[in-house]
Amino acid sequence: GAGVSQSPRYKVAKRGQDVALRCDPISGHVSLFWYQQALGQGPEFLTYFQNEAQLDKSGLPSDRFFAERPEGSVSTLKIQRTQQEDSAVYLCASRGTQDLYEQYFGPGTRLTVT
Amino acid sequence: QQQVKQSPQSLIVQKGGISIINCAYENTAFDYFPWYQQFPGKGPALLIAIRPDVSEKKEGRFTISFNKSAKQFSLHIMDSQPGDSATYFCAASNTGANSKLTFGKGITLSVRP
Repeated sequence: GAGVSQSPRYKVAKRGQDVALRCDPISGHVSLFWYQQALGQGPEFLTYFQNEAQLDKSGLPSDRFFAERPEGSVSTLKIQRTQQEDSAVYLCASRGTQDLYEQYFGPGTRLTVT
Repeated sequence: QQQVKQSPQSLIVQKGGISIINCAYENTAFDYFPWYQQFPGKGPALLIAIRPDVSEKKEGRFTISFNKSAKQFSLHIMDSQPGDSATYFCAASNTGANSKLTFGKGITLSVRP
């Protein structure tokens, strides 16, 4: 079946603009994670959803970052008033109920703030 | 404080050789230890993972060795191939919580033909 998809794959924003990044998880996966991957670094946790409930947002770097998953499937990560330090790849991962550990990652959205 | 540390930072291996990547962790609550492979422009893909109740797990050419007392685990790639050239990340999570993954910084493996 289809894997995790993310859109857009590339986004260029001028400093101060708002952006919205979309994640379509694997069908039926209840858990959804967002990670931020800076250039040359490992992914870092941002936030976690179980169905529509956001259970952990401890990794969001500032109140400019906001995530939602209103119907428990598609999720959107929104960044307001983008800054240059927000430039990174934003990865989405989903996890099913049969395997409580394995997370399946999407290809990511590369955000460049100019 | 970096909770998961990888070594070496980069690795060059000849085709057919053994690639060994090491990882050390700090948090004793971690109980799931996966290795991910990432190619340029792609998301990380799970290679192999281990729980602390076993000391070794093998899947094809990939083996994880786990040392709970030393808080270390390693990835061995046997008969390394040029197609294995990628960035490798170790990670860890506490499955009792939300199971968010804590990643190492990654190492770049180059397998020379």
